[in-house]
Amino acid sequence: DVVMTQSPLSLPVTLGQPASISCRSSQSLEHSDGNTYLNWFQQRPGQSPRRLIYKVSKRDSGVPDRFSGSGSGTDFTLKISRVEAEDVGVYYCMQATHWPRTFGGGTKVEIK
Amino acid sequence: QVQLQQWGAGLLKPSETLSLTCTVYGVSLSGYYWSWIRQPPGKGLEWIGEISDSGSSNYNPSLKSRVSISGDTSKNQFSLKLSSVTAADTAVYYCARRANLENWGQGTLVTVSS
Repeated sequence: DVVMTQSPLSLPVTLGQPASISCRSSQSLEHSDGNTYLNWFQQRPGQSPRRLIYKVSKRDSGVPDRFSGSGSGTDFTLKISRVEAEDVGVYYCMQATHWPRTFGGGTKVEIK
Repeated sequence: QVQLQQWGAGLLKPSETLSLTCTVYGVSLSGYYWSWIRQPPGKGLEWIGEISDSGSSNYNPSLKSRVSISGDTSKNQFSLKLSSVTAADTAVYYCARRANLENWGQGTLVTVSS
């Protein structure tokens, strides 16, 4: 299985400041079709996860542009340019290039 | 607007079979992969498996011997069955659209307890 390792585990951030979450995979996530199926999800307290980013850097409809994804191969990053109160929650990366699909362990974003 | 509504029994005894169904609104089952994911209380997400519009399925090897995912295009629904459940299967179960999990259901808490 592809192991997805996220860091940090917890991320206290001041409102209006940037935040960055790292996700590393144990194997390259580049698919034979040329795409890299790395996704980012936000899970607010008590809610279902919501996809923010797919294929490394494509933002889902309705996702604020303060969220951005980058990376390639085995090293990926989710950035929030200016954290807002509604961004509190747990963020997960997930790869859909290989079977079984696997998730990172999650990063909890909280306000300082 | 795509919506996934899931339902099924929330309390099971050990050795029983978990059965959940996800009804899809706003898009046809055809043409997409459909997935199931679970989340034990206070823990992270675990991929269970997926089914394609052609009916082929892929499962997490850790659950493969006990899990089955099927689809019913006439009802625009897909279902999850997990046999021989134990307390370790207690979790919130989610259905989702696509292998990249574009849309999610509301989640169903399934508790396994004697």
